[in-house]
Amino acid sequence: EAGVAQSPRYKIIEKRQSVAFWCNPISGHATLYWYQQILGQGPKLLIQFQNNGVVDDSQLPKDRFSAERLKGVDSTLKIQPAKLEDSAVYLCASSLDGTGGNEQFFGPGTRLTVL
Amino acid sequence: AQKITQTQPGMFVQEKEAVTLDCTYDTSDQSYGLFWYKQPSSGEMIFLIYQGSYDEQNATEGRYSLNFQKARKSANLVISASQLGDSAMYFCAMREDPQGAQKLVFGQGTRLTINP
Repeated sequence: EAGVAQSPRYKIIEKRQSVAFWCNPISGHATLYWYQQILGQGPKLLIQFQNNGVVDDSQLPKDRFSAERLKGVDSTLKIQPAKLEDSAVYLCASSLDGTGGNEQFFGPGTRLTVL
Repeated sequence: AQKITQTQPGMFVQEKEAVTLDCTYDTSDQSYGLFWYKQPSSGEMIFLIYQGSYDEQNATEGRYSLNFQKARKSANLVISASQLGDSAMYFCAMREDPQGAQKLVFGQGTRLTINP
């Protein structure tokens, strides 16, 4: 079974530029998550989708971050414009339905460096 | 207030010894779940073990066990017979049920180093 796919793996941009990350969850997983992991910290949830609807985006900085999950499968996370403090690893995860003990399966992450 | 507290930033253990990684949590929910994830230097988060708040038995998965003490709000991970490949960051996380969002909150992590 294929895991969660993410691209690109690495991205370096200048501040004020835009960047987009792509995630393909495990087939059949209804719930998709985007996390931000700053160096030395645990992942922080940015947004959670159930199929193609948003169920939690309370920690998403909506003035610069946006995310969509068209057709309830792939998802993109965009930052526009980027700031220095956005340098982090962006992890995508998926789970069967987000309930009970269904674990979240994580992708390899995209390491973003903002100069 | 921190929801998940991992008080050990780093742990050093000899190969083949058992190791306990501490995790305490804070919630007023009756229904919640606790997870442990491993993050090797490659960066991917690997699920290890899960304990539900209503589970009476401590969870076990191979060499991993979860020492769940509900009254103390602790969920420590025990790794038996440690191996060199266990060297990694370990994160404790809690799933709360705020209005059905089922979001995970992670601790700061513990870096485990296994010495040969």
